[in-house]
Amino acid sequence: NAGVTQTPKFRVLKTGQSMTLLCAQDMNHEYMYWYRQDPGMGLRLIHYSVGEGTTAKGEVPDGYNVSRLKKQNFLLGLESAAPSQTSVYFCASSWTAYEQYFGPGTRLTVT
Amino acid sequence: GQQLNQSPQSMFIQEGEDVSMNCTSSSIFNTWLWYKQDPGEGPVLLIALYKAGELTSNGRLTAQFGITRKDSFLNISASIPSDVGIYFCAGASYGKLTFGQGTILTVHP
Repeated sequence: NAGVTQTPKFRVLKTGQSMTLLCAQDMNHEYMYWYRQDPGMGLRLIHYSVGEGTTAKGEVPDGYNVSRLKKQNFLLGLESAAPSQTSVYFCASSWTAYEQYFGPGTRLTVT
Repeated sequence: GQQLNQSPQSMFIQEGEDVSMNCTSSSIFNTWLWYKQDPGEGPVLLIALYKAGELTSNGRLTAQFGITRKDSFLNISASIPSDVGIYFCAGASYGKLTFGQGTILTVHP
C-alpha cells in the first residue's frame, strides 16, 4: 500500500496564478484533510471532508477551494495564488477522524 | 478557536538522557495524540490517548492524557540520535485535530 500520496512535491507559482494539489489514499478512509504548515505555527486545518462528495471549512479556508469527487482523492485548489500562501501543504486521511495518516507534503512557493 | 501551548519549544540533550514535553489547552479534548515529524516528511503518529488519566507506552515513549482533559505529556527515555525531529501534540474534538506548535528535539551523540 502506498498510503497517502501527494503531487506535486514542489511547486513555484507567480502571484495570481492558479494550481491544484492532488492527494490520494489507498486505505479506503472516509475522512480526508488539508493542512498548511508554517514555521513556529504547527499545522493548521484548511479544509476537510467526512466522505465522498462532502467538504467543510477548517481554521484557515480563505483563498482555497477543495473537492472530493472520489473517495480516494481530495483536491486542494488555489484560484489566485498570493505570497501569503507560501507554505508546506500536507494531506491526511483517517478512519476515525482522530488517528490521521499524513502524506509527504507539497512545498509551495509563491513569488 | 482552540489553541494548544506546547513546551518546551526546543530541547538540546545528550544521547541517553530522558526527555519530557507537555501540551496544555484552555479547552477540553476527547482524544490526545502525539506525532513526530522528520525533516522533509509528514508527521507520523506515535501514540493516541482516549481516556482521561490514561497512560500509554510505545517502546521508549510514554504519554499521558491529563485528568482534567486539558493537557497531555510525552516522555522519551534513554534518547538515541534517531529521536531527532519535531514532536507535535494534537487535541481532537468534533472530528478535527488542533495541533501544538511543536517541540524541536536535538540529540547530541
